[in-house]
Parts: sequence; structure tokens; C-alpha cells
Amino acid sequence: QITLKESGPTLVKPRQTLTLTCTFSGFSLSGSGVAVGWIRQPPGQALEWLALIYGDDYKRYSPSLKSRLTITKDTSRNQVVLTMTDMDPVDTATYFCAHRPPRLAYTGILWGQGTRVTVSS
Amino acid sequence: DIVMTQTPLSSPVTLGQPASISCRSSQSLVHSDGNTYLSWLQQRPGQPPRLLIYKISNRFSGVPDRFSGSGAGTDFTLKISRVEAEDVGVYYCMQITHFPYTFGQGTKLEIK
Repeated sequence: QITLKESGPTLVKPRQTLTLTCTFSGFSLSGSGVAVGWIRQPPGQALEWLALIYGDDYKRYSPSLKSRLTITKDTSRNQVVLTMTDMDPVDTATYFCAHRPPRLAYTGILWGQGTRVTVSS
Repeated sequence: DIVMTQTPLSSPVTLGQPASISCRSSQSLVHSDGNTYLSWLQQRPGQPPRLLIYKISNRFSGVPDRFSGSGAGTDFTLKISRVEAEDVGVYYCMQITHFPYTFGQGTKLEIK
């Protein structure tokens, strides 16, 4: 059974850097094609995909946020970390991590419960 | 970015009646591997998104068979054959054919 859980600060100040951790189980992020991504959802708004990291360490970022995002993985600890610099109140959102199976065996994206982040001074 | 447009944005439905949500993409969602990576998600109030349908029409494990997906290319539909009270929430289409992956604006399903 695949599970993912997000953790990190609930409150950050403007201009600070946000660091979120996704701890997962039920799969290994070392195989070809499997990936873990980060998505956010501002209150009452739609979803936005932020970044993706593959088992071979290939990374992809949303073009609109690329300059502010870094995604890394620690395969031995089954964790994926997202950092977002220069936080602003508009970045207030619930942040989700998600498992993306390989396309050859694609059965849909599974989501964590999410972690709420508020940006305020 | 691929723009995903859902209609309607709000859908009041009578219990036991059918419901239908449409999703149109700004470009074809057919991947170079021949698959179309269009999914439907359900988000109940205060909950994370839940996968319902993947690759247009495949129901995820545990999803009731009253949910069905159809479509091709750029036009897709989610149908609920008989709406139940637990189906209340916001439904999103999403594509992972092209990066960045994108979502529709969401359709709020509510009971009349």
C-alpha cells in the first residue's frame, strides 16, 4: 500500500524559505519512471503542480516558479524535499506530495493528506 | 502550459439522478506512447484529492462503478450514473501527458 505524508512549518514569514518533506512508503524512488511530485492549492482555489523528481534523479519544475523551487530526494530515507525561496502571502496554500507511477504501469496519481502553510509576518 | 477547461463550474443535482462534467484541453492529450493521461479527481470538503479515473476511463481501485469516464483527444467527460450524498465535493480533471501537469478549475457538485 502506497502512502505519502507531508511535513513542514505551518507558518513562514515573507521572504523566508519554505522547506517541506514528503515521507513515503510502499514504493521505492529508485526505479526508472517512478516519480514523486509536489502540488499546491491556495484556499478555495484550484490545484497547481510545482515540481517532479524521478527515481533516476531527473527533475522538472513549473516554469512559472522554477527560479524559486528545488526538489531533492533521499532514497534511503524514502523522502522527497521541496524548498521554495522568497515566500510571499500569495504562496499561502495546502501543499501536497504525490506518487506518479511509471507510464508503462500507470495506474494514476496517489496523494498525501497535505500540509497547510500560511505566509504572514 | 496545457489549459484544462471544465464545464459546468457548478452542478446542482437531485439525489439518484445522473450528473455529467466536461473537460476540454487546449492541446491533444495523446502521449507519444499512445496513451492519453487524463484523470478525474474528487475532493470532498477538507480532504485531499482522491483519484477516481485514470487514462480516460479506468476506475481506480475501490471507486464505485457509478463513476465512468470517456472521451478522446481534447474532450473528456465524467459521468455519475446516480448521484449519492457522499458524491458532494469538487471534481477536477488533470493531465499528465505534458509537463507542467495541469488541472481544470474544478466543478462543484452539490445536492439540490
